[in-house]
Amino acid sequence: QITLKESGPTLVKPTQTLTLTCTFSGLSLSTRGVGVAWIRQPPGKALEWLALIYWDDDKRYSPSLKNRLTITKDTSRNQVVLTMTNMDPVDTATYYCAHRREVRPYYFDFWGQGTLVTVSS
Amino acid sequence: AIQMTQSPSSLSASVGDRVTITCRASQGIRNDLGWYQQKPGKAPKVLIYFASSLQSGVPSRFSGSGSGTDFTLTISSLQPEDFATYYCLQDYNLWTFGQGTKVEIK
Repeated sequence: QITLKESGPTLVKPTQTLTLTCTFSGLSLSTRGVGVAWIRQPPGKALEWLALIYWDDDKRYSPSLKNRLTITKDTSRNQVVLTMTNMDPVDTATYYCAHRREVRPYYFDFWGQGTLVTVSS
Repeated sequence: AIQMTQSPSSLSASVGDRVTITCRASQGIRNDLGWYQQKPGKAPKVLIYFASSLQSGVPSRFSGSGSGTDFTLTISSLQPEDFATYYCLQDYNLWTFGQGTKVEIK
């Protein structure tokens, strides 16, 4: 069974950099085809895909946020880290990490519980 | 970037009703579309993949159709546990969610 859990600060100030960690078990980011994504959801609003990293360190970013995001992996620690710079109150959201299946169909089958990040001074 | 336009944004329905939700892609995405259900305070879960394939364990009252740019999620007979928000997600080129459809009790 695959489990994922997000961790990081619950409150950040405007202009600060947010660092979130996704710690997972039941999967290995050294397995061909595996991907882990970050997705967020502002309160009462829609889901928004942010970034994804593959087993081979290939990375994909949302075009609208690309300049602010960095996704990295630590295979030995079973972690994926997302950093987002220049945080703004509009970035207040629940941030989820999710596992992308390594074989077709490539949907997100396992998700973390999400972590709420509030941006406020 | 591919845009996904989902409608309606919300709907009210009764138990037993047939419910239809649509998603339109800004360009052709073959059948690279999934449907997700989200309940309050919970992470989304996949219902449909490849536009029309039912995820294992999902009730058969859920069905999906479409290809190219126009897609539909249908719930044939709405059950109490189906009141939730539904999202389409394209994975043809990167990933884009629709704006969501909240299904409420009438």
